[in-house]
Amino acid sequence: DAGVIQSPRHEVTEMGQEVTLRCKPISGHNSLFWYRQTMMRGLELLIYFNNNVPIDDSGMPEDRFSAKMPNASFSTLKIQPSEPRDSAVYFCASSPRGIGQGDQPQHFGDGTRLSIL
Amino acid sequence: SQKIEQNSEALNIQEGKTATLTCNYTNYSPAYLQWYRQDPGRGPVFLLLIRENEKEKRKERLKVTFDTTLKQSLFHITASQPADSATYLCALTNFGNEKLTFGTGTRLTIIP
Repeated sequence: DAGVIQSPRHEVTEMGQEVTLRCKPISGHNSLFWYRQTMMRGLELLIYFNNNVPIDDSGMPEDRFSAKMPNASFSTLKIQPSEPRDSAVYFCASSPRGIGQGDQPQHFGDGTRLSIL
Repeated sequence: SQKIEQNSEALNIQEGKTATLTCNYTNYSPAYLQWYRQDPGRGPVFLLLIRENEKEKRKERLKVTFDTTLKQSLFHITASQPADSATYLCALTNFGNEKLTFGTGTRLTIIP
């Protein structure tokens, strides 16, 4: 049973370049979440989708960040232009939408470790 | 402001003893509280979920309590083993919301 798949696992790029992170959620899951994890701020929610529609993007740092979910099996998080302070581990997670909302566990991928030089 | 605090950054426990981790929150009315385990270089893995009207939940060697009056959850690992060494994260969801807000985590080390 395949879990959440993220690519690439590691990305090193220079400041100012465009970065695209990819996520394939677990088949049948209705909700998809993008998180960022740093030592200073811990694990922070950036944006989440339900049935491919963005529901809450209040955690997106600024206009340089954008996320899309063109279909139920694929999502991207894009940073353009990238800056050194964007260096972090970015996680994607998915969950089935439960009746009570929020009562379902989230299944995480193994993340993309992003370094902006 | 809303805050989720886990008792300590790091906790060392002798093998075989019970490890107890604490999660305290302020300015939340959580509907659900979840605990996750994270190993280095991996994503968090779900362990247990407890509802606001439940006092306690168990799964094998794991036990979670939830006290909405104290605004606190305790996470216990009994008969701890070196393989239990990891970072443990608590996370809350408010009513009517799917958003999980995570605590900063506690790095647990079980010493053989």
